[in-house]
Amino acid sequence: DTEVTQTPKHLVMGMTNKKSLKCEQHMGHRAMYWYKQKAKKPPELMFVYSYEKLSINESVPSRFSPECPNSSLLNLHLHALQPEDSALYLCASSQERAAGTGSPRGELFFGEGSRLTVL
Amino acid sequence: AQSVTQLDSHVSVSEGTPVLLRCNYSSSYSPSLFWYVQHPNKGLQLLLKYTSAATLVKGINGFEAEFKKSETSFHLTKPSAHMSDAAEYFCVVSDPGGGFKTIFGAGTRLFVKA
Repeated sequence: DTEVTQTPKHLVMGMTNKKSLKCEQHMGHRAMYWYKQKAKKPPELMFVYSYEKLSINESVPSRFSPECPNSSLLNLHLHALQPEDSALYLCASSQERAAGTGSPRGELFFGEGSRLTVL
Repeated sequence: AQSVTQLDSHVSVSEGTPVLLRCNYSSSYSPSLFWYVQHPNKGLQLLLKYTSAATLVKGINGFEAEFKKSETSFHLTKPSAHMSDAAEYFCVVSDPGGGFKTIFGAGTRLFVKA
């Protein structure tokens, strides 16, 4: 199984809502990532978890709250978002993370993303 | 400092003709280099990777890339384009000299005409 599964595929929420994005992988990878991608742009790193511990936060606003309940699951909790937060949110995993950085050793495996629209 | 430059924001080819997507990088050390493809509203899929083994790397779907250290390039090619190749392509560098920081290029949109 070489898949990273993300749910939901689409999410529409108001600025006062609380919602969550979920990501799951069963490849035994120990590093998991959240990326944000705006239209016609490359992905931008948000958070990195390594061995279930948050190791990198790229100065992301606190209205985004990541959680890693176990080695296979990664959540992104959303609260009081702004319309400019509308984007494709991509989860990725890799076998491990290079020490002291947010970068993967080897390739990243991406999910299909969750398309978020904030009204 | 490391960087990656995709020289074309858009490339348009006819079906059955060759594809060339250009990527130049800057790195203090021997980097790992990747090409990913992204179809509309989808995640990124790895096409191929270079990690200091053979300089000519073969990937999926008939794509290949050649690592040229003297030119600091890692161009992606395919002999014959297919309609299904129309997508966004990202060149990515991971540089041990930069602490394995991963840098994405800006992307190249490939259009394939029938």
